[in-house]
Amino acid sequence: GENVEQHPSTLSVQEGDSAVIKCTYSDSASNYFPWYKQELGKRPQLIIDIRSNVGEKKDQRIAVTLNKTAKHFSLHITETQPEDSAVYFCAASGNTNAGKSTFGDGTTLTVKP
Amino acid sequence: DVKVTQSSRYLVKRTGEKVFLECVQDMDHENMFWYRQDPGLGLRLIYFSYDVKMKEKGDIPEGYSVSREKKERFSLILESASTNQTSMYLCASSFYFSGDEQYFGPGTRLTVT
Repeated sequence: GENVEQHPSTLSVQEGDSAVIKCTYSDSASNYFPWYKQELGKRPQLIIDIRSNVGEKKDQRIAVTLNKTAKHFSLHITETQPEDSAVYFCAASGNTNAGKSTFGDGTTLTVKP
Repeated sequence: DVKVTQSSRYLVKRTGEKVFLECVQDMDHENMFWYRQDPGLGLRLIYFSYDVKMKEKGDIPEGYSVSREKKERFSLILESASTNQTSMYLCASSFYFSGDEQYFGPGTRLTVT
């Protein structure tokens, strides 16, 4: 089945710096790659996603890049703010494995003011 | 706005008890999921359902069962709770099974003593 590895497990940055979280996946048939943000004590919520026919997608301060050949995708957050502090999960899904999503183990991002 | 609710935020049960966790979504989603969230292990899929009365095992189904008698409701059952089932349980729903955003409930923190 699909295997998703996420790095780093923890990340601490100064406010205003950029943060990058990387994920690799194993199943070349995966074609949908969402990123979820989970603030402390709250539910995970989708912040951005990318499909396999696109190499990059941006939404204000966040962006996701996808390299299908290397089977990895990354979340980029620029000009980080304290409210970006949260756990971030990547996921991969596709038409195999019955289309179910496989999640990474999560990255705890701390933005220090 | 999609709303996914779970019956309890916190639950304390004794070893050997039968435990019911309920999830309700109000957006007529076909697909519903139960995940278990443990620190450093991400979100692990226990069971999912793509239609009423249909259910499929996820990655860690042992010790759990599910029920989906109505489209909007998906129940997770621990037949005989054990201490290693102490965890955060998250329910989610989506319109399409594959390649679609999942909407999560607030989670149930279950402690088995």
